[in-house]
Amino acid sequence: EAGVAQSPRYKIIEKRQSVAFWCNPISGHATLYWYQQILGQGPKLLIQFQNNGVVDDSQLPKDRFSAERLKGVDSTLKIQPAKLEDSAVYLCASSLDLTRNEQFFGPGTRLTVL
Amino acid sequence: QKEVEQDPGPLSVPEGAIVSLNCTYSNSAFQYFMWYRQYSRKGPELLMYTYSSGNKEDGRFTAQVDKSSKYISLFIRDSQPSDSATYLCAMSAEGSSNTGKLIFGQGTTLQVKP
Repeated sequence: EAGVAQSPRYKIIEKRQSVAFWCNPISGHATLYWYQQILGQGPKLLIQFQNNGVVDDSQLPKDRFSAERLKGVDSTLKIQPAKLEDSAVYLCASSLDLTRNEQFFGPGTRLTVL
Repeated sequence: QKEVEQDPGPLSVPEGAIVSLNCTYSNSAFQYFMWYRQYSRKGPELLMYTYSSGNKEDGRFTAQVDKSSKYISLFIRDSQPSDSATYLCAMSAEGSSNTGKLIFGQGTTLQVKP
């Protein structure tokens, strides 16, 4: 079974630029999550999708972050414009459905904002 | 006060030692408890998943939950250099609206020396 795929693995941008991250969850997994992991901290949930609908985006900084999962499979997370404090690893995770807590993580995208 | 507290370490032990990793939490509504292992520049990998209080064993790993003390532990027996990683605890409250909303500790870095 293929795992969660993410790209790119690394991205360096300057502040005020925009950036997008892509995630492909495990096949058949209806629920998809985006997390932000700042160096030395645990992952922090940004947004949770069930199929193509948003379940929870209460911790997503909506003035600069956006995410979509239009067809209920792949997802894209965008930051526009980026700030220095957005430097972090962005992790995508998926689970079978909303009844399951077990989440499977991708390798993450390491973002550096200069 | 953070909802989940975890000593960041680093914790350094000799090969073969028994390792004890711990988390404390403040939210009595937490019912689901997980341990993830994260190797450097990789995504978290689910190691153990328990519900409510009690023990769970899987090979060299044992997870314990003491809800009365709001304290969870992960024990690693016969530790190996390949166990060197960051260990993250994660928790979730009961109820359909809370499923998947994991709160992570900041992680404990473990180094097992040959």
